[in-house]
Amino acid sequence: KQEVTQIPAALSVPEGENLVLNCSFTDSAIYNLQWFRQDPGKGLTSLLLIQSSQREQTSGRLNASLDKSSGRSTLYIAASQPGDSATYLCAVNPSGSRLTFGEGTQLTVNP
Amino acid sequence: DGGITQSPKYLFRKEGQNVTLSCEQNLNHDAMYWYRQDPGQGLRLIYYSQIVNDFQKGDIAEGYSVSREKKESFPLTVTSAQKNPTAFYLCASTASGRRKQFFGPGTRLTVL
Repeated sequence: KQEVTQIPAALSVPEGENLVLNCSFTDSAIYNLQWFRQDPGKGLTSLLLIQSSQREQTSGRLNASLDKSSGRSTLYIAASQPGDSATYLCAVNPSGSRLTFGEGTQLTVNP
Repeated sequence: DGGITQSPKYLFRKEGQNVTLSCEQNLNHDAMYWYRQDPGQGLRLIYYSQIVNDFQKGDIAEGYSVSREKKESFPLTVTSAQKNPTAFYLCASTASGRRKQFFGPGTRLTVL
């Protein structure tokens, strides 16, 4: 059974810092991997989707990488801002039909 | 505007009652999903449907039921058999397994 782990569970950084969020998964046979953002009491917003054949995806200040063989993905946030404060969730798609989620990393960016 | 709507935003249920959560999408997506989120936890899959008139159980389907009579609608019924239904419920849809999943704003269900 696929399991997804996110480390750290919570992270607090000063504004302007570059940071890395980690996601690991137990079964490397995945279809794709997706990073989401969730604000308190809200739904999820998709940030980046990496197909199994890709190594990374970039959107603005965000860069996500994927290393299938080691079962790891990282989300890099450059020049963090207080508006980046949210919970970041990683999800893997093992079969093309459903996602398995990690428990998320709660990020706080302090002004 | 294209998107996913969920209603109601807040729902209160008495013990022994069945309640139905609404999820509608106008994105023309084939696949729709229901997830449950408990405080401080990730999402767990309840049911999903990849095509009209067909659906599959997820990891925690006991005490829930769904229907998919129309492409744009995927209602979730929380039955009295669900022992601990208080949670945040999220609906999602996608065009295909290779595409991003899009989420609705969620329904917070509380059992009184």
